[in-house]
Amino acid sequence: EIVLTQSPGTLSLSPGERGTLSCRASQSVSSNFLAWYQVKPGQAPRLLIYGASRRATGIPDRFSGSGSGTDFTLTISRLEPEDFALYYCQQYGSSPSTFGQGTKLEIK
Amino acid sequence: QVQLVESGGGLVKPGGSLRLSCEASGFTFSDYYMTWIRHAPGKGLEWLSYISGGSSGSRFINYADSVKGRFTISRDNAKNSLYLLMNSLRGEDTAVYFCARFHLAVTSFYEGRGYLSQGYFDYWGQGTLVTVSS
Repeated sequence: EIVLTQSPGTLSLSPGERGTLSCRASQSVSSNFLAWYQVKPGQAPRLLIYGASRRATGIPDRFSGSGSGTDFTLTISRLEPEDFALYYCQQYGSSPSTFGQGTKLEIK
Repeated sequence: QVQLVESGGGLVKPGGSLRLSCEASGFTFSDYYMTWIRHAPGKGLEWLSYISGGSSGSRFINYADSVKGRFTISRDNAKNSLYLLMNSLRGEDTAVYFCARFHLAVTSFYEGRGYLSQGYFDYWGQGTLVTVSS
């Protein structure tokens, strides 16, 4: 199975700053089938990005995804207070679908 | 709007059983694959199982190796509901369990395993907590 490694484990930033989260795959992700999710305690997780770079419905344009093959990035251009959360990448190009271990984005 | 509401979680002893439910609204339930995903304390998300839409005689089902043979996914399109029957529960099954709508991206043939579907999860419920402890 494909192992996804997210870095950093924790990212400490201030509102207004730019956040860059990385997701590296142990082998190439077929068709760049990679998604990003935001998870907050007690809330429904939210799909942010699919197909490596396509924003999901209703997601603000400060969220963007990029990358291909084995290296993918989620960028949040200007952090808002509500963006501080856990973020996970998921590959769905091969079975079984797998998630990274997550990046915690915390307020500095 | 799409809503998914899980129920059925709770405290259960090792070796016990539990049945989770997920009630869906805001979309044509029978048209979509559905899935279960869990989030164990201090760990990442883990996909568990999916079930295709359509009639009961022609559904595709798949499980993660960690729950194969212990968990059973099912659905009732007339009730807009998804279920997960969990047997032989272990401490490591302690987690928040989410149901999610599965956006099918691709179905591929895997030697020895047959056709398996992949996709991303476009809507999620808020989850239900399952604690396995004596």
